[in-house]
Amino acid sequence: SAVISQKPSRDICQRGTSLTIQCQVDSQVTMMFWYRQQPGQSLTLIATANQGSEATYESGFVIDKFPISRPNLTFSTLTVSNMSPEDSSIYLCSVGKGRERYTFGSGTRLTVV
Amino acid sequence: SQELEQSPQSLIVQEGKNLTINCTSSKTLYGLYWYKQKYGEGLIFLMMLQKGGEEKSHEKITAKLDEKKQQSSLHITASQPSHAGIYLCGAPTLGSSNTGKLIFGQGTTLQVKP
Repeated sequence: SAVISQKPSRDICQRGTSLTIQCQVDSQVTMMFWYRQQPGQSLTLIATANQGSEATYESGFVIDKFPISRPNLTFSTLTVSNMSPEDSSIYLCSVGKGRERYTFGSGTRLTVV
Repeated sequence: SQELEQSPQSLIVQEGKNLTINCTSSKTLYGLYWYKQKYGEGLIFLMMLQKGGEEKSHEKITAKLDEKKQQSSLHITASQPSHAGIYLCGAPTLGSSNTGKLIFGQGTTLQVKP
């Protein structure tokens, strides 16, 4: 299974600013996934990032707020734009190959003040 | 849409005791994943189940997918403080068994008292 390096592990940001989260995978994967975990809640899928095409966003998430880049098969970024305290969450990236287990990054714990 | 419901939501057990966490799906499961999450951190893969009736074990943790493939259970034998954390079940949604989109239960928070 793939190994994912995610950074930063945590950050405290001012409202109105943006934060970019990076995920680096040790092998090539077709799709990468970005999840959000709000305090005390379970994981919710934000979007699916395919290399060479625009990300596909789930209901309730928009590209202007969560722009995603996928420049190659081993790397992706998620930006949380114009942040507000409601964006305080853990953000996780994930990859999966067919019926292999789905691996998650270590998460980015974001606090917006 | 498919939903996963975990029970109990939280659990406090004495060290050495056994415990079971359940995950019930509103639709047929095409795979079921169990993860453990320590507070504020990423998800650690525990087990993946795909066939009805399948049972897997790793160290003191056993997971089973029932025959009808709508429920899974995670059983911990002789719990230890290292077992403490949040346990999450996840499942691929219909039509996405090969795409990696997972839905998750709300999680079960486990505390183990020494």
